[in-house]
Amino acid sequence: GENVEQHPSTLSVQEGDSAVIKCTYSDSASNYFPWYKQELGKRPQLIIDIRSNVGEKKDQRIAVTLNKTAKHFSLHITETQPDDSAVYFCAASKGDYKLSFGAGTTVTVRA
Amino acid sequence: DSGVTQTPKHLITATGQRVTLRCSPRSGDLSVYWYQQSLDQGLQFLIQYYNGEERAKGNILERFSAQQFPDLHSELNLSSLELGDSALYFCASSSLETQYFGPGTRLLVL
Repeated sequence: GENVEQHPSTLSVQEGDSAVIKCTYSDSASNYFPWYKQELGKRPQLIIDIRSNVGEKKDQRIAVTLNKTAKHFSLHITETQPDDSAVYFCAASKGDYKLSFGAGTTVTVRA
Repeated sequence: DSGVTQTPKHLITATGQRVTLRCSPRSGDLSVYWYQQSLDQGLQFLIQYYNGEERAKGNILERFSAQQFPDLHSELNLSSLELGDSALYFCASSSLETQYFGPGTRLLVL
């Protein structure tokens, strides 16, 4: 099955700086890559997603890039704020609607 | 609010017992997924149902079972509970690829 690796496992940034999280996937048939944000004790919430026919997608301070050849995709958060502190999960799907999740990255934004 | 509802929010039970977790998907979504999230762990896919039929199975134990009813709500049954089953159980629903998660049920097995 699909294997998704996520790095780093923890990330501490100064407020206002950028945060970057990287994921790699194993199955070249994967074509859908969502990112979820999970605050402590709460549900994962979709923050952005990208499909394999697009190389980059941006939504305000959040952007995702996809490199199909290298089989990796990244989440970029600019101008980080304390509210960005959470666990972020990447995931991959190959059209069967089953998501394979990365292990998560705990992001801490220092004020 | 994702539109996915789960009950109960919290559940405390003893080892060896059986519990049922309930999920109502977003209006119009035919697919329901169940995930287990243990402390400091990622999201482990358990099982998917589509319009009443089992579609995919993940790391679901034989002691666990699920079903999706004609009104599309789903139930996850956990039996012969062990201490290690303590976790957050999430349900998600989708109409296409995007999955929307419910608030979860926190299960504590004592």
